[in-house]
Amino acid sequence: GAGVSQSPSNKVTEKGKDVELRCDPISGHTALYWYRQRLGQGLEFLIYFQGNSAPDKSGLPSDRFSAERTGESVSTLTIQRTQQEDSAVYLCASSLRWWADTQYFGPGTRLTVL
Amino acid sequence: AQKVTQAQTEISVVEKEDVTLDCVYETRDTTYYLFWYKQPPSGELVFLIRRNSFDEQNEISGRYSWNFQKSTSSFNFTITASQVVDSAVYFCALSEAGANSKLTFGKGITLSVRP
Repeated sequence: GAGVSQSPSNKVTEKGKDVELRCDPISGHTALYWYRQRLGQGLEFLIYFQGNSAPDKSGLPSDRFSAERTGESVSTLTIQRTQQEDSAVYLCASSLRWWADTQYFGPGTRLTVL
Repeated sequence: AQKVTQAQTEISVVEKEDVTLDCVYETRDTTYYLFWYKQPPSGELVFLIRRNSFDEQNEISGRYSWNFQKSTSSFNFTITASQVVDSAVYFCALSEAGANSKLTFGKGITLSVRP
């Protein structure tokens, strides 16, 4: 079946603009995660969805970052007033169950803030 | 707090050599899960293995094998007879067994396999 998809694959924006990144999880997967990967670094957790609620937003770096999810489907990560330090690859993952299940990752969105 | 340490940053081997990627973890939980992911140059993370804390049996899958030792908090990954296609960044990760199974990743090991 289809894997996790993300769009756009690349996004170049100017400092101060808002951006929206989209994630389509594997159909039927109840849990959805967002991670950020800065150049040459490991992945850092941003936010987790169980269904359409977000029990853990602890990884969001500032209040400029927000995310929502529609049912057990698509999720959108929004970054307002982008800064150069927001430049990174944003990865989405989904898992069938929300309890310690394997997470499958999408190809990521590479965000460059000029 | 959870932590994953991958002390090796870059490894270069010649094709057909065996190579071991080290992973050391820290957690206060008694139930947890360990993972390895591969990130080839294309960028997409590929799941390799998931192991729970109660299963210390070593696992072998083709040329890949994993050695889990709770006594040393290590979950090492060995590639036997490496191939050029094994060139990638390899991440070890840890999650709690709970409602939020967010992954804590190590910084990754860049493996280069030369022909």
